[in-house]
Amino acid sequence: DTEVTQTPKHLVMGMTNKKSLKCEQHMGHRAMYWYKQKAKKPPELMFVYSYEKLSINESVPSRFSPECPNSSLLNLHLHALQPEDSALYLCASSQPQRGLETQYFGPGTRLLVL
Amino acid sequence: GENVEQHPSTLSVQEGDSAVIKCTYSDSASNYFPWYKQELGKRPQLIIDIRSNVGEKKDQRIAVTLNKTAKHFSLHITETQPEDSAVYFCAASINKLVFGAGTILRVKS
Repeated sequence: DTEVTQTPKHLVMGMTNKKSLKCEQHMGHRAMYWYKQKAKKPPELMFVYSYEKLSINESVPSRFSPECPNSSLLNLHLHALQPEDSALYLCASSQPQRGLETQYFGPGTRLLVL
Repeated sequence: GENVEQHPSTLSVQEGDSAVIKCTYSDSASNYFPWYKQELGKRPQLIIDIRSNVGEKKDQRIAVTLNKTAKHFSLHITETQPEDSAVYFCAASINKLVFGAGTILRVKS
């Protein structure tokens, strides 16, 4: 299995809602990533987990809360989001070898915050 | 931190022509340089990558060159086809990927 999967594909939420994005990979990768991508822009790194431990947090607001329950799963918990948080949220995975390893992206969750 | 600049922002070519996209990076410690293709509404997909101990790499119609001294790397696509139309992102990495702003490639048939 060489794919990263993400659910849901689309999500609409109000500013008071709590929701979660899920990501799964079965490639044996031990690094997983969350990116945010706005239209016509490159992916922006949010979080990196390496061996199930948070290794990079790119100063992301606390309304985004990542979780890595095991080596195959990555969640992103969302609470009290703002309309400007509407974007495509991409998960990726790789082997954790100081940036030298290929990252494989999931299809993304398209999030709309009303 | 690392900064990656990518040019041009848009590129239109005739089918069968070649396309070249250029990127420069700022941190000489960067050691991995992937290129991703992203079609509308889809995920970024790796098309080719190069590591800092290699100057050039080729895969069929796609090639990447790296000049470590000048801190720039380029993507070359030969014999372009309409299905090459997409957004292309370069990236440089030490411990995380830093992306360029992207190039919209349009191949006209």
